[in-house]
Amino acid sequence: AQSVTQLGSHVSVSEGALVLLRCNYSSSVPPYLFWYVQYPNQGLQLLLKYTSAATLVKGINGFEAEFKKSETSFHLTKPSAHMSDAAEYFCAVTPYSSASKIIFGSGTRLSIRP
Amino acid sequence: NAGVTQTPKFRVLKTGQSMTLLCAQDMNHEYMYWYRQDPGMGLRLIHYSVGEGTTAKGEVPDGYNVSRLKKQNFLLGLESAAPSQTSVYFCASWGPTSGGPWYFGPGTRLTVL
Repeated sequence: AQSVTQLGSHVSVSEGALVLLRCNYSSSVPPYLFWYVQYPNQGLQLLLKYTSAATLVKGINGFEAEFKKSETSFHLTKPSAHMSDAAEYFCAVTPYSSASKIIFGSGTRLSIRP
Repeated sequence: NAGVTQTPKFRVLKTGQSMTLLCAQDMNHEYMYWYRQDPGMGLRLIHYSVGEGTTAKGEVPDGYNVSRLKKQNFLLGLESAAPSQTSVYFCASWGPTSGGPWYFGPGTRLTVL
């Protein structure tokens, strides 16, 4: 079975500071991993995905994530936060073998301080 | 190419009323999903479909029914709405490409009084 844990339901950083959103997963089979972003009153938009190629994945808007199998982690980072990054971020997992379901974490709300 | 669309965008129901939410996708995706989103709980899978004419239960199926009569459409029904079904509902679709992302609709905000 697959599961996702996002540490911290709310993260606040200053504009220009490093953004780090944490995601740990549990999967009995090799996983695909995703980060989605949700802006207020909108649907979910794909930020980036890991599908067993490079372990460091670059996404849109300057975000990237590193797949660490030994730590079962897929943390999302951005070197310098921008006010427009304020949103809710969801980590998600699905197994290679049967991508019929995707399991989401509970989400992390990112706030940016001026 | 509109992607995934949902109708309606907003709806207010009284307890016991029924309604149907429509999801449509124009990407020829086999898989379609209905999720509900509640504060602090992320997205929870209600029902999903792996192809035309098929449906399956997800994590929280009680009180909902679905139908996939056409490949491009996935309907979510509430036969007798309850206040606990107040939520934001998202539809998603996924294509056959291995590792391809899920595409989400803009959501339907439902309030049950």
